[in-house]
Order: sequence, then structure tokens, then C-alpha cells
Amino acid sequence: DTAVSQTPKYLVTQMGNDKSIKCEQNLGHDTMYWYKQDSKKFLKIMFSYNNKELIINETVPNRFSPKSPDKAHLNLHINSLELGDSAVYFCASSQVWGSEQFFGPGTRLTVL
Amino acid sequence: AQTVTQSQPEMSVQEAETVTLSCTYDTSESDYYLFWYKQPPSRQMILVIRQEAYKQQNATENRFSVNFQKAAKSFSLKISDSQLGDAAMYFCAYRSGGSNYKLTFGKGTLLTVNP
Repeated sequence: DTAVSQTPKYLVTQMGNDKSIKCEQNLGHDTMYWYKQDSKKFLKIMFSYNNKELIINETVPNRFSPKSPDKAHLNLHINSLELGDSAVYFCASSQVWGSEQFFGPGTRLTVL
Repeated sequence: AQTVTQSQPEMSVQEAETVTLSCTYDTSESDYYLFWYKQPPSRQMILVIRQEAYKQQNATENRFSVNFQKAAKSFSLKISDSQLGDAAMYFCAYRSGGSNYKLTFGKGTLLTVNP
């Protein structure tokens, strides 16, 4: 049973394209997140949703748009991909009142 | 804003020995959580241990324990009886106790375990 799943695990695309990464959690959590891990392994929060409502939006280009159709899903859509978007993107979830975040397996995005 | 500093980019340890990874943080909050996450080559982020700031007792999970010094804002991870499977990148992370649930990560320490 996969707690937090992401699709796809690998994504290779050309500059300028638009792509989406999907995330689903079956833990019944209220809060979901997107983190970006760069080539130096540094992890940084991008977005957080609580019950489908955006609660954290860090300094992220507006080419990135999260969408939460329900509280079990948080997708990340990226427009006009740039070379600098190449990274590993992690989805995570937690209970509102809980402190532990559970991470998905990550999606390695490569922009050529 | 909170910051998390891991001053050791790389560490190595002999199998069966003990190693300590350092982490310091900066915050003006009194209520917060601290975590150590492990990221093996598979890249999965795995929670190793967590500490609530209001608890004076240091957290322990089997071979993993922390030394939490709240006044010094220090949160080190001790791995006892190191095993080959402990080789990974280790991240220290901070989470506010308030309504902002994001994790702020340090830059990580790459741990090598030598047989």
C-alpha cells in the first residue's frame, strides 16, 4: 500500500513545454505539499494546501500552478518549462494537527 | 525566518561504530518540531526521528538518538552500531508549531559507511 504516490517518477521534456506531475495520498491527511530538491540536494517548500485551500505559496514563478481537486490529490502543473526547472519534485502530506510529513517517491524532471 | 544549518557536508564512519551528525537552527519561536530525515540513493525521504521542542527528554529510535539542546538551538543525531544500510544523505528539518506547517531543511550531510 503506497501512502503517497507520484506520477510520473521520471519526466524528460523539452524547454517551453507544459507538463504536470500528479500526487495522491491515501492516508486521510488534510494537508499536502510540494517541495523542490535542486541539483545540490537542497530541499525547499513550494506550496502547501489544506483541505483544497492554498496556505503556503513560497516565492515560486507563476509558471508553477498547483491544483487540488480534493484533499487526497495535489497536482503540479508547470508551463513553459525552463532548464532551471530540472530538479526532483517531492509531494508530501500530513495531518493538520500532526507534525510528521510523509513523502512521495519524488519525480525527477529533466528539461532539455 | 527560521534557518537550519548542517555544518558537515560529508561524514564517514566504520561499520559498527558510532557517528554524530550536527544540526543547528535559528528561531524566535518557543513551540516547534525538529526532524531528521534520511534519503538513500533510492531518493525516498524517510523519517528517522523527531523531537518536540517542549519535551526535555531526547528522542530515541532504536540505534538513532538525538541530543537536543534547546538553549543552544542544537539538534544532533547519533547513529550507534552503524550499518551499511545507514549510508545516505541526512537532512535536519524544522517545523513551526504554529499554523505554518512547512519544513525548513538544512543542506544535508552525506554519510558514508565503510565496511
